[in-house]
Amino acid sequence: DAGITQSPRHKVTETGTPVTLRCHQTENHRYMYWYRQDPGHGLRLIHYSYGVKDTDKGEVSDGYSVSRSKTEDFLLTLESATSSQTSVYFCAIGGAANTGELFFGEGSRLTVL
Amino acid sequence: AQTVTQSQPEMSVQEAETVTLSCTYDTSESDYYLFWYKQPPSRQMILVIRQEAYKQQNATENRFSVNFQKAAKSFSLKISDSQLGDAAMYFCAYGGGGATNKLIFGTGTLLAVQP
Repeated sequence: DAGITQSPRHKVTETGTPVTLRCHQTENHRYMYWYRQDPGHGLRLIHYSYGVKDTDKGEVSDGYSVSRSKTEDFLLTLESATSSQTSVYFCAIGGAANTGELFFGEGSRLTVL
Repeated sequence: AQTVTQSQPEMSVQEAETVTLSCTYDTSESDYYLFWYKQPPSRQMILVIRQEAYKQQNATENRFSVNFQKAAKSFSLKISDSQLGDAAMYFCAYGGGGATNKLIFGTGTLLAVQP
């Protein structure tokens, strides 16, 4: 199994507070991703990174920022959480060359009250 | 932009029977990957099967096989001899041929397996 760890696994917070989710990988992979999963929407890409300090937006990036200061860590920040950001967040890393698949972390459930 | 459509929100199958989950996609690319991921109640995303678009042969992994129709942009998953452990949410996903490995997911099909 790919070595991907997300923290925290569960978090309850209040509207307007900042939240940071952490993704840590031990695979030394260049590409890392943050998705959110919501009923009826599947998984949607928030942001992704293609190297240290190199990031780009996905389809649902509004209200989120990311940072990657080390190969192994990819942080997702909600500067001011809103109830619409209540979701399950998944981190993923790119698979081996020429396979195209992603390996996923176990997910982080965030509830914004 | 590429899209992935799963038109069956829920499906049910009897244990030991066969079920087919549907997926269609839209793309203008000629080189890409397609995937089926399984998400059991544990929430873990598990790769079930993958298909490269340039391969005409349908992928097979034990009881799981796909029917890949490139011209029709269709990618269905067949589960044979269904088992209770197959009960899960199944996601179809599209991956472009570029280096970023970004995947686009369908909305999922929740499969129930009846004993």
